[in-house]
Amino acid sequence: NAGVMQNPRHLVRRRGQEARLRCSPMKGHSHVYWYRQLPEEGLKFMVYLQKENIIDESGMPKERFSAEFPKEGPSILRIQQVVRGDSAAYFCASRPRTGGNTIYFGEGSWLTVV
Amino acid sequence: GENVEQHPSTLSVQEGDSAVIKCTYSDSASNYFPWYKQELGKRPQLIIDIRSNVGEKKDQRIAVTLNKTAKHFSLHITETQPEDSAVYFCAASNNAGNMLTFGGGTRLMVKP
Repeated sequence: NAGVMQNPRHLVRRRGQEARLRCSPMKGHSHVYWYRQLPEEGLKFMVYLQKENIIDESGMPKERFSAEFPKEGPSILRIQQVVRGDSAAYFCASRPRTGGNTIYFGEGSWLTVV
Repeated sequence: GENVEQHPSTLSVQEGDSAVIKCTYSDSASNYFPWYKQELGKRPQLIIDIRSNVGEKKDQRIAVTLNKTAKHFSLHITETQPEDSAVYFCAASNNAGNMLTFGGGTRLMVKP
């Protein structure tokens, strides 16, 4: 059973470009979370999604950031018009629909904005 | 919403000594408390968790205690080894939201 798969692992974007980060949850997991980790800092919740549904987006910046988890395919975190302050590691995590609160993290996507 | 505080932010111990990391939480509805270990450049990995219906849980050299009344929980690592060096994060959640709120992390350094 493959773990949570994220790609790309590393992404470099110039200021003003768009970044798209993809996350495929573990097999059988229908709940996906995105967390952001700034250098030398903790994990900050961004958004919680189920298939075709955003459950909680209270941690998402109001502008430029969006997330989706379509019926088919991976969850995508999209950052438009990136700025230097968006440089961070973005971790996706997943858990099954039933069976408790344990979430499992992917390896992360490191975004660098130059 | 939930707020999780974690102390200390850095902890340096000699190999073989014990290490204790403490967290407090604010939401009395929280009932699930996992601990994650994150090595440099890697993903956070679950090392142990505890639910609010128990006060203590142990797994080899790692133990976690929970005091629901005081709303705090702690990670205890005994007989530390250099490979225990990492950043440790506590977290809390409740069934309703299922979203984990993390503490700020503790950088543990085990000196050989």
